[in-house]
Amino acid sequence: AQKITQTQPGMFVQEKEAVTLDCTYDTSDPSYGLFWYKQPSSGEMIFLIYQGSYDQQNATEGRYSLNFQKARKSANLVISASQLGDSAMYFCAMREVLTGQFYFGTGTSLTVIP
Amino acid sequence: NAGVTQTPKFRILKIGQSMTLQCTQDMNHNYMYWYRQDPGMGLKLIYYSVGAGITDKGEVPNGYNVSRSTTEDFPLRLELAAPSQTSVYFCASSYPRGGANYGYTFGSGTRLTVV
Repeated sequence: AQKITQTQPGMFVQEKEAVTLDCTYDTSDPSYGLFWYKQPSSGEMIFLIYQGSYDQQNATEGRYSLNFQKARKSANLVISASQLGDSAMYFCAMREVLTGQFYFGTGTSLTVIP
Repeated sequence: NAGVTQTPKFRILKIGQSMTLQCTQDMNHNYMYWYRQDPGMGLKLIYYSVGAGITDKGEVPNGYNVSRSTTEDFPLRLELAAPSQTSVYFCASSYPRGGANYGYTFGSGTRLTVV
């Protein structure tokens, strides 16, 4: 079974609108961390946001927020007020504390339309 | 604050040649990793290391070798390059565990073409 599932290969959003990128995960480890990374066309991997499995509140970092629904095992990334520079690939990832293993999703390509 | 440094950034190899991709981190991270990313695809783990002297295979280790003689360095060796190894290679490092600090820090990548 896939550890991280991103079901949206590509997404479009109008500039200044909000967009949600979906991510579901699968683990039996009670302690884990969830991450989102951005990969612009230049190729580097940029850390965006982190959510711990025991965190009570959803993580936020500027225009990024993580909609964490533990019972549903989902960790959706919400980008508010989209900007042209947000056009990139976005990867969801999970790290299990017990095993230390890191798992990546297949990514979602986001295009922001002017 | 250099983070994770990868060299070279670009390389073209002929089939059958060998090369070493260099990776150095200055954050005293125990864990280091090598991934490859094929065009339009996600990341696949090649090899990883949990500390100096310890390495282990990931999902796609064939055709590659690694060593970890120091905490800082984790070179990836390609022997007998093949066109299937054309990819972008990322090195990453992390702490063993503990909050957001145990996320990855990535290098800037090495774009390798085998012709």
